[in-house]
Formats: sequence, C-alpha cells, structure tokens
Amino acid sequence: NAGVTQTPKFQVLKTGQSMTLQCAQDMNHEYMSWYRQDPGMGLRLIHYSVGAGITDQGEVPNGYNVSRSTTEDFPLRLLSAAPSQTSVYFCASSRGTSYDEQYFGPGTRLTVT
Amino acid sequence: DQQVKQNSPSLSVQEGRISILNCDYTNSMFDYFLWYKKYPAEGPTFLISISSIKDKNEDGRFTVFLNKSAKHLSLHIVPSQPGDSAVYFCAASATSGTYKYIFGTGTRLKVLA
Repeated sequence: NAGVTQTPKFQVLKTGQSMTLQCAQDMNHEYMSWYRQDPGMGLRLIHYSVGAGITDQGEVPNGYNVSRSTTEDFPLRLLSAAPSQTSVYFCASSRGTSYDEQYFGPGTRLTVT
Repeated sequence: DQQVKQNSPSLSVQEGRISILNCDYTNSMFDYFLWYKKYPAEGPTFLISISSIKDKNEDGRFTVFLNKSAKHLSLHIVPSQPGDSAVYFCAASATSGTYKYIFGTGTRLKVLA
C-alpha cells in the first residue's frame, strides 16, 4: 500500500492564481481531511469528508473548495490564492469512526507571492 | 477559540529521563484523544490514544493520562531517547459528533544525548 499520497510536494503561486492540491489513499478509508500547518498554530482542519459525495467545513474553510467523487481521492482547490494561504498542507484519512487514528500524507509546501 | 491547547511550545530533556508533554481542552464533548508525532518534512504519525472511559493507556515507553475533571491529558515518555526528538501534537474528537479531529499547537521535544 502506498498509504496517503499528495502531489505536488512544493508549489509556488502568484496571488490570484488557482490550483488543486491532490490527495489519494489506497486503504479504502471513508474519512478524509485536509489540514494546514502554520508556525504557532498547529494543525487546523480545513475541510473533511465522511464518504464519497459528502463534505463539510472544518475550522478554516474560507478560500478553499473540496469535492469527493470517489473513495480514493479528495482534492483541495484554491480558487484565488492569497499570501495568507502560504502554508504546509496535509491530507489525512481514517477508516471512518472517531475512534480511528488518521494516516497523514507527506505534505505539500505552498508559497503564495 | 482554541479548543485544544498545548501551552509549552518546546521542551528539552536529557536522554534516559522522563518527558512529560501536556495538553488541555475546553470542549466537554470531546471523548477520544490522540497523540501524534511529527518529524521535519514528514506527515504526522499516530502514537497513542485514549478514550474518555479510561484514565490511562500504555504502549511501551509511552503512557497517556487523562484527567477528565481537569480537561487535561499528558503524554509520558520513559525513558526518553534522542530519536524521540520531534513535534508532538495532541488531538481530540467528539465521537458522537461530526468526525472532526481538532489538533493542538504542538510541543517540540528535544532529547539531549
């Protein structure tokens, strides 16, 4: 199993550009989520999904969109990048209940200039 | 409003001694707690968890203690090893809720050889 994979590993965007961060898992997990990690702020939940076709907002959803058309994939879209979105982004998955630990991808480091 | 707090940003401990990392939470609906370990340039990895029906859970050198009345949990590492040097995050979840895992801000542990 590859586990949770994220692409790209690094990305530089100009303000106003759009892009999609890719996340895929091969563990047949129902639950997937996106976090951003910023210095002094820990990991903050952006959006999450409890299954294909079902998504919901986390703590910091503004400026981001998600969709979940398959169990395996959970892309995160930035519609108009802003410097405040400079961060490290982590995707995670778990079997589906709140008693399960999450498996994290290696992260995407995004810089918006 | 930070629902999960780790008030010590960093901690240094001598090799072989005990490391104690602390975490406080404010939401009384949280009933499942997890600790994750993160090395630089990697995603977090699950370490240990505890349900609110317990007050202690052990796994090798790692023990998590939960004090529900104080809304406080701690991770003990005995004995500490240089390979334990990493950032540690606590996370909380309300199992009857919406499958959100809320993370703390992290504590950077440095184990000195």
